[in-house]
Amino acid sequence: QSALTQPASVSGSPGQSITISCTGTSSDVGGYNYVSWYQQHPGTAPKLIIYDVSNRPSGVSNRFSGSKSGNTASLTISGLQAEDEADYYCSSFTSSSTLVAFGGGTKLTVL
Amino acid sequence: QVQLQESGPGPVKSSQTLSLTCTVSGGSISSGDYYWTWIRQHPGKGLEWVGYIYYSGSTYYNPSLKSRLTISIDTSKNHFSLKLSSVTAADTAVYFCATYKYYFDSWGQGTLVTVSS
Repeated sequence: QSALTQPASVSGSPGQSITISCTGTSSDVGGYNYVSWYQQHPGTAPKLIIYDVSNRPSGVSNRFSGSKSGNTASLTISGLQAEDEADYYCSSFTSSSTLVAFGGGTKLTVL
Repeated sequence: QVQLQESGPGPVKSSQTLSLTCTVSGGSISSGDYYWTWIRQHPGKGLEWVGYIYYSGSTYYNPSLKSRLTISIDTSKNHFSLKLSSVTAADTAVYFCATYKYYFDSWGQGTLVTVSS
C-alpha cells in the first residue's frame, strides 16, 4: 500500500482539463512544500513535470500545474492532448523513516 | 542536467546478490548537488524508493530493504552502486537510478532485473 493516495484512473477528452489528487498526511504532503509529480509513458523512465508543489522544470508545458491544500496536493492538466495519456505519480518528502513517499500512480486516459 | 545509465550483469538467481551500477555523465558525482538515488518499479506497479547516497558516503535506505541493501559511491569513477542480497522473486523489478534534491529530476533509462529460481 502506497504512502500517498491517488485515484487509480482518470479520463478526459481532448481540450478538457483534469485534476489528479494526491493525499497524504501532515508528515509528508501537508508538512512540507516538497511535493513533486512525474509522468511515465509505457516502457520509459518517469519524467519530472512539477517540483516543490507548483514549479515546472524548464521545457515542461505550462498546461501542467500543481497546487496543495492541507494534506492534499493536486496536478491539473489543461487542454488535454493525446500525448498526455500516461501514468502520473506524486511524491513527497516525509519525516517518517521512509524519507520518500510515492503515490500509487494514476492512469490518465485521453478519450 | 546530468545523464545517468544503469548497468548490471543481467538475471539473478534467488538467494544471490543483485548488483547494479549507475554511471553519471555531464557532471561530477562529488558536486554535492544531489543525493544519488535508486528507485525500483515492480512489473505493472508503482514506484518504490530504494535508497540514496550523498557524495560524502552518507546513506539512507528504505527501512523495508535496509537489512539487505548496500549503496556505495566511487567518486573516482563517477558512479554509484547498489547491492541487494538474498534476493527473491519479489525483487524482480525495473531499477532506476536518479538524482534527488527533494525531487527526482534526472533519471536513467532503467534496467529490468529478473530473479529466477
